[in-house]
Amino acid sequence: QQPVQSPQAVILREGEDAVINCSSSKALYSVHWYRQKHGEAPVFLMILLKGGEQKGHEKISASFNEKKQQSSLYLTASQLSYSGTYFCGTRNYGGSQGNLIFGKGTKLSVKP
Amino acid sequence: ETGVTQTPRHLVMGMTNKKSLKCEQHLGHNAMYWYKQSAKKPLELMFVYNFKEQTENNSVPSRFSPECPNSSHLFLHLHTLQPEDSALYLCASSQDWHEQYFGPGTRLTVT
Repeated sequence: QQPVQSPQAVILREGEDAVINCSSSKALYSVHWYRQKHGEAPVFLMILLKGGEQKGHEKISASFNEKKQQSSLYLTASQLSYSGTYFCGTRNYGGSQGNLIFGKGTKLSVKP
Repeated sequence: ETGVTQTPRHLVMGMTNKKSLKCEQHLGHNAMYWYKQSAKKPLELMFVYNFKEQTENNSVPSRFSPECPNSSHLFLHLHTLQPEDSALYLCASSQDWHEQYFGPGTRLTVT
């Protein structure tokens, strides 16, 4: 079951914050977050494995709410280099371990 | 070479051609993946290999044929493709089912 990401796109000024959500209709085992810049390959940001766990990567952090079957990615004090498309990939309980299902992505544009 | 490499980076082929995409990972990982990425569509998993054994085949048409001779190399053999198969084909690798490292992709155009 494909996760749903929101918003589809967001435009920020440098220094502003953003939140990207990833929701699943099935119980989540883990959530992966990746960023893809235009013309480049997706780059891994972080994995969340436990309910309510938060992880951080520079000024980017994420939470995982098992009950809500949702993960959120938080970008604080955004920089120009944060521009790109953010994808969440989910593994569901009972699903195949090798099968990571990606959302449609959220396009983030950071302007000076 | 480091990370995950893919060749060729661009490929134009006719519908009757046969071609192959190559992926090589230099990370010592045991799992490798093929994804298809089309415009305005999410990453679509095609095949997964773990220790050279295919573990996933997500209902991919038989005109795409994967081959994994060892844990470091992955091929995607293409024949009699359709124009709708034009897309970016990404290879990735991981240690077990942890974070995936992607190659730069092959931009395929079917004419």
